[in-house]
Amino acid sequence: AQRVTQPEKLLSVFKGAPVELKCNYSYSGSPELFWYVQYSRQRLQLLLRHISRESIKGFTADLNKGETSFHLKKPFAQEEDSAMYYCALLTQGGSEKLVFGKGTKLTVNP
Amino acid sequence: DSGVTQTPKHLITATGQRVTLRCSPRSGDLSVYWYQQSLDQGLQFLIQYYNGEERAKGNILERFSAQQFPDLHSELNLSSLELGDSALYFCASSDRSSGRNEQFFGPGTRLTVL
Repeated sequence: AQRVTQPEKLLSVFKGAPVELKCNYSYSGSPELFWYVQYSRQRLQLLLRHISRESIKGFTADLNKGETSFHLKKPFAQEEDSAMYYCALLTQGGSEKLVFGKGTKLTVNP
Repeated sequence: DSGVTQTPKHLITATGQRVTLRCSPRSGDLSVYWYQQSLDQGLQFLIQYYNGEERAKGNILERFSAQQFPDLHSELNLSSLELGDSALYFCASSDRSSGRNEQFFGPGTRLTVL
């Protein structure tokens, strides 16, 4: 079964503190994972793809196949990082749908 | 705006009614996806079209249907609406030929069924 789990519904940190948003997945094939961000009243935007290994807005995420995890990290959180974050798994083999986690609402306090 | 567009932004209707949501993909994208976002179910994949043909179905009810037209825009038709159909409906598009598998999302249509 394809499943993405984000165990934290809410996460609150202070500005300048490190932040880690957890994501675990279950998928029998070779996973392709993404992090999407949704700022208040805006559309979903792609933040990271695990294949590209990019760092966007200071965020990074490493795919750990042994632990089936794709946690999102940032060493120093900023207030503008406050948003909903969704981890997503792309299924392959004809049906290229995104399977989303329930999302984590990150609040960065001043 | 060359991104994904969706109309209308908001839709308020009554139970039993039928509505049509419209999506225009990014220029050049042949794939269109529909997702439903609700408080209890989160983001759920409904259906995918590629160049006018249905490619994949997810948790889409029989009361719902979609199509993609020759100009690549897509419509999602929701009929016999129930209170539980109230949700945010997103459309996304991608360019599979690029190999990037990245889906770009529209702003969504917020449907309220009263």
